[in-house]
Amino acid sequence: DIQMTQSPSSVSASVGDRVTITCRASQGISNWLAWYQQTPGKAPKLLIYGASFLQSGVPSRFSGSGSGTDFTLTISSLQPEDFATYFCQQGNSFPFTFGPGTKVDIK
Amino acid sequence: QVQVVQSGAEVKKPGASVKVSCKVSGYSLTELSMHWVRQAPGKGLEWMGGVDAEEGEIVYAQKFQGRVTMTEDTSTDTAYMELSSLTSEDTAVYYCAVGAFRFDDWGQGTLVTVSS
Repeated sequence: DIQMTQSPSSVSASVGDRVTITCRASQGISNWLAWYQQTPGKAPKLLIYGASFLQSGVPSRFSGSGSGTDFTLTISSLQPEDFATYFCQQGNSFPFTFGPGTKVDIK
Repeated sequence: QVQVVQSGAEVKKPGASVKVSCKVSGYSLTELSMHWVRQAPGKGLEWMGGVDAEEGEIVYAQKFQGRVTMTEDTSTDTAYMELSSLTSEDTAVYYCAVGAFRFDDWGQGTLVTVSS
């Protein structure tokens, strides 16, 4: 199975800050990487797919990059509604696996 | 966009089975790849299984092999996930999610509580 790790596990930030989250795969997954946002009590929401493609309706302050084993999610200017937990997921091979999550909270 | 609506919360005793349903609208289930993901309280996301978009077959995570069955009723565009031999470790929110190699649309989640 492909193991996904994320760093940091949590980050405290202020509105307007730039936030970067890293995801690493235990083996190469090309660009079969997606990012999700989850707020408490809600289902995850797809933000980025194919490592760098913005899902329809997602604000342009979200961006993704990377290929192979190392990936990054960047929020260019944090907004109040962005305080949430973010997960990466590999779709390269079964079983699909998720990273453990990064919680973005208010400083 | 696909609309996905799941069945309601369940409380089960250890050793029992649970069957969760997921009805889609906006698209036919035959056009979609349905997956099931669970999340234990305060924990991360765990993929349980789903349709291999390339082969058209259902693939299960090794952890759940022999204990989970995923089926589809295309006449009603409803997918089902049945999990048997429940233990307290199976207490979680169970989500159905649509997508081939990522999950574009999600159901609202079904809380399954296993308690004696």
